[in-house]
Amino acid sequence: AQSVSQHNHHVILSEAASLELGCNYSYGGTVNLFWYVQYPGQHLQLLLKYFSGDPLVKGIKGFEAEFIKSKFSFNLRKPSVQWSDTAEYFCAVKGTYKYIFGTGTRLKVLA
Amino acid sequence: NAGVMQNPRHLVRRRGQEARLRCSPMKGHSHVYWYRQLPEEGLKFMVYLQKENIIDESGMPKERFSAEFPKEGPSILRIQQVVRGDSAAYFCASSPSGDSEQYFGPGTRLTVT
Repeated sequence: AQSVSQHNHHVILSEAASLELGCNYSYGGTVNLFWYVQYPGQHLQLLLKYFSGDPLVKGIKGFEAEFIKSKFSFNLRKPSVQWSDTAEYFCAVKGTYKYIFGTGTRLKVLA
Repeated sequence: NAGVMQNPRHLVRRRGQEARLRCSPMKGHSHVYWYRQLPEEGLKFMVYLQKENIIDESGMPKERFSAEFPKEGPSILRIQQVVRGDSAAYFCASSPSGDSEQYFGPGTRLTVT
């Protein structure tokens, strides 16, 4: 079955700490992978996406993610978080046409 | 080019009433998808429509929920006789074709009292 797992449901960090959010997927075909961010009370924003090519993908706001095919993973990273990164982060895999989302990780950054 | 538009942004309904959620896709997009986000959960696929056709409604509850995407006008997600468990954020996405990236709207937050 197609699925996306995000292992950390809640993460609390201090400003300037490094961030890594895990995402593993289960999907049999060619994958398109995405990370979205949802700030409190706002809609989904695309952080970055992977379709093919360089497995290290750089997105907006200093985020990056690495696609590791052998591990079925697409972890999100940021070297130094800011208070404004407080939000919920969703990993998603696009199947034939529908997106399959993980349950999300709530990140709280302490000033 | 305006993004995906959804209205209303917030909708409050009493139990038993009907809820109608509208989605206008991006210009040039003829494929529309509806997702539901329940509290503490990720988005879950509900239905995929092209103009005048339902392609996949495997994620739609069998009763009370229906969706359409007419030749003219927005896509409509209709929930009849709402119950408290229908309270959620409903997101619409659109794409120019079935295998291309989807663009998400701001969502409609439905509250059933």
